[in-house]
Amino acid sequence: DIVLTQSPASLAVSLGQRATISCRASQSVSTSSYSYMHWYQQKPGQPPKLLIKYASNLESGVPARFSGSGSGTDFTLNIHPVEEEDTATYYCQHSWEIPPLTFGAGTKLELK
Amino acid sequence: DVQLQESGPDLVKPSQSLSLTCTVTGYSITSGYSWHWIRQFPGNKLEWMGYIHYSGSTNYNPSLKSRISITRDTSKNQFFLQLNSVTTEDTAIYYCARKGTGSFAYWGQGTLVTVSA
Repeated sequence: DIVLTQSPASLAVSLGQRATISCRASQSVSTSSYSYMHWYQQKPGQPPKLLIKYASNLESGVPARFSGSGSGTDFTLNIHPVEEEDTATYYCQHSWEIPPLTFGAGTKLELK
Repeated sequence: DVQLQESGPDLVKPSQSLSLTCTVTGYSITSGYSWHWIRQFPGNKLEWMGYIHYSGSTNYNPSLKSRISITRDTSKNQFFLQLNSVTTEDTAIYYCARKGTGSFAYWGQGTLVTVSA
């Protein structure tokens, strides 16, 4: 199974500043054309919401302050500038091989 | 718009079977995509459980393979989860979701299932 390790487990960021969340895969999830890594935001009492697909492609309707980057085994979700509504838990998910598809453990974003 | 809604018992006794239904509106489950079950444990860990493809084929998480079955009723546009021999460790929020080429753009609201005597 591909293990996704997210860091940090939690972070506190001031309004308007940048939040950076990392996701490291236990093996490469990229080809020369695509990276099979996706990012979600989850707020309490809600299902996860897709933010970024294929490492860097913003899902329709998601604000441009969210961005994703990376390839191979190392991926990053950036949020800048952070707004109050961004307080949530963020998850990465790979789709390199099924079964099994796996998720990271999550990163909880709070405001300072 | 595509919508998914889970339903089923919220309390199951240990050793019994957990059965959930996902009702899909706005898209036929036989037209495309794969239709998944994902659960979230207390503490927020997400676990992919398995899917049924629009063709009817299925694929399961090996960690659950001996206990899980995903089926469908195309006439009702529903798909189902059955998990056998549950223990308290199966207590979780259960989500159904539609997967596109790689990611899950559509999710149900989730249903909390507690396994307890």
